[in-house]
Amino acid sequence: IVMTQSPLSLPVTPGEPASISCRSSQSLLHSNGNNYLDWYLQKPGQSPQLLIYLGSNRASGVPDRFSGSGSGTDFTLKISRVEAEDVGIYYCVHALKNPFTFGPGTKVDIK
Amino acid sequence: EVQLVESGGGLVQPGRSLRLSCAASAFTFDDYAMYWVRQAPGRGLEWVSSIDWNGGSIAYADSVKGRFAISRDNAKNSQYLQMNSLRAEDTALYYCVKGRGPYFDHYGMDVWGRGTPVTVSS
Repeated sequence: IVMTQSPLSLPVTPGEPASISCRSSQSLLHSNGNNYLDWYLQKPGQSPQLLIYLGSNRASGVPDRFSGSGSGTDFTLKISRVEAEDVGIYYCVHALKNPFTFGPGTKVDIK
Repeated sequence: EVQLVESGGGLVQPGRSLRLSCAASAFTFDDYAMYWVRQAPGRGLEWVSSIDWNGGSIAYADSVKGRFAISRDNAKNSQYLQMNSLRAEDTALYYCVKGRGPYFDHYGMDVWGRGTPVTVSS
C-alpha cells in the first residue's frame, strides 16, 4: 500500500486553520467498519506522537483542535486553529496489514 | 507513564552485526504487539519489523528480510532486533514502538521510544 500526502510543506499562521491530505493506494476500510489510518506528529528533535487513530479518533491527551476524517482511500487531518507548538512533520500511516507504510510527511511551520 | 528505552546502537562496519534492545515499563508488556521503526538522517519513517504479543507472528520489511530478526522476552518486558549483514543504507535512528493491541494487523502503533542511533560505515 502506497501512502501519499499533500501538501509536503505547509506554512501556517497561528490562529488560522490548516489541513493535510493523505491518500492510500488501496482502501483502508475494513469489513468491520474501521478505517486503519493513523496520524502522527513528529515535533523537532522528538519522537513521533500519535494524534489520531482509526481515521478519526483522537489519542489520549491530544487537543480537540485536531480532527481526522475520511474513509477508504482519502483522509484529512485538520487543525482548527494552529498554535506555535503544532510545528513539525505530520505523517499518516496505515495499520491495515504488513508492510505498514508511512506517508512522506508534511512539514508544518509558522509563516 | 508508558516508557520504552532503546539501547545497543552504535557505529558498526558494513557486513557486521548489532543487537538492539528495548526495555518496556508501565504497561502489561505481553498484552501488546511491538514494532521497530527507523528513520534515516533527514528522512521519513520506515517500518522495519513487528512481533505479536507472544512472538507467534512476525513480519519484516523487504529491505531487511533475511538479515534482521525480531524477538521478545515477555518475562523481561523487552524486545530485541538482531541486525546482521549491515549495510550503509541501514544507518538510521531505530525506534521501539508499542502496539495498540496483541496483534499487528488491524491494530497499529501508539507509544514510541526516543530511539537508538545505528551508523553503518567503514
